[in-house]
Amino acid sequence: GAVVSQHPSWVICKSGTSVKIECRSLDFQATTMFWYRQFPKQSLMLMATSNEGSKATYEQGVEKDKFLINHASLTLSTLTVTSAHPEDSSFYICSARDQAEYYEQYFGPGTRLTVT
Amino acid sequence: GNSVTQMEGPVTLSEEAFLTINCTYTATGYPSLFWYVQYPGEGLQLLLKATKADDKGSNKGFEATYRKETTSFHLEKGSVQVSDSAVYFCALRGGGSQGNLIFGKGTKLSVKP
Repeated sequence: GAVVSQHPSWVICKSGTSVKIECRSLDFQATTMFWYRQFPKQSLMLMATSNEGSKATYEQGVEKDKFLINHASLTLSTLTVTSAHPEDSSFYICSARDQAEYYEQYFGPGTRLTVT
Repeated sequence: GNSVTQMEGPVTLSEEAFLTINCTYTATGYPSLFWYVQYPGEGLQLLLKATKADDKGSNKGFEATYRKETTSFHLEKGSVQVSDSAVYFCALRGGGSQGNLIFGKGTKLSVKP
């Protein structure tokens, strides 16, 4: 089946620094990728939708200058958390849509970000 | 707009017990319905899906039937195992195959030996 990877799986950074999270579709091409944030008590929040070669579409309330998304190729999207603060600590999950499989959506394993 | 409501957890069961996790939805048109499972420390995996009314999705002993008349997609398993302990998310996708997934809040299941 289709596989989506994320790197790193966990990261600790200091407040004020930036951290980049990569999302890759390993065996299919994904023109559309999604970034989610998972809060305590499970709730998943869609942050943004990225389309290869164009700007990401951010959900209401998500700061696009803080959460930079780049989808430069059909297999890679990156999320950069800029000037991170402790409140940005969370579990970030990416997802990729496979057009060849009736737009099935596959999820990465997630990245645990801790900002100290 | 479209939305998904699933039962609050956590749900704690003994091994071999019967499981039901309720899920109802609100949507215009004819959405596709999904159940995803998240094991501890991992991302989401598709458990099963149904794309039209009266379809039954099934996988790993779990099943759910798309009920348009009651706008429901309840997840069931006849005999749970400790390894089924996870968080379960009900989701819908409206707007055709290119629509976005909309998730319920998740239900944590713990199965005790």
